[in-house]
Amino acid sequence: QSVLTQPPSASGTPGQRVTISCSGSTSNIGSNTINWYQHLPGMAPKVLIYGNDQRPSGVPDRFSASKSGTSASLAINGLQSEDEADYYCAAWDDSLNGWVFGGGTKLTVL
Amino acid sequence: QVRLVESGGGVVQPGRSLRLSCAASGFTFTNYAMHWVRQAPGKGLEWVAVISYDGRNTYYADPLKGRFTISRDNAKNTVYLQMNSLRPEDTALYYCARDRNVMVVAASFFDYWGQGTLVTVSS
Repeated sequence: QSVLTQPPSASGTPGQRVTISCSGSTSNIGSNTINWYQHLPGMAPKVLIYGNDQRPSGVPDRFSASKSGTSASLAINGLQSEDEADYYCAAWDDSLNGWVFGGGTKLTVL
Repeated sequence: QVRLVESGGGVVQPGRSLRLSCAASGFTFTNYAMHWVRQAPGKGLEWVAVISYDGRNTYYADPLKGRFTISRDNAKNTVYLQMNSLRPEDTALYYCARDRNVMVVAASFFDYWGQGTLVTVSS
């Protein structure tokens, strides 16, 4: 059971907008910034969003994220086939004194 | 460019030990904290441990405390993960990842990852 809760799956057709939620508690998302990682099959994970809503250089602006209270969400606009991957949220947990990941959401592009 | 190359994985019997290595290149190693993250077959990412730039501060996932030890050799640009009393549930792909910061801070993220090294614990 992951400390951060994500839906196990999400799907959409090319061009659609898809959102992935991440729910936590006051000791992690409620107190600290959240990051999102994209994990393509057979590849190393890659940071997609850091500091709640910041995109590293090279990440398309189709990807955006927000945080409110103890929850956060990742949005992908203009869905593309290459977006098919696993997506993870992560944050530092003050109670556990360590990083915690969500269980991951498998995004399927139909 | 930044490169992280893990090694040391393999098949090991339950109860035995294994030491993983992560060789870093393409950046000033002493400017960054370093992490280990693992992924069991068919499961999600699980953070394992982090070490500060100078090795003085380390943090571990609660379930792994006492069995796993993270360390670094800044002269060799390498971070290690010593895994003792291995269990079948430790079977996973182990990734090395660079922290964006020099110290272990909450407002950070993992900005570069290696390709991982596979550990299989089986008799």
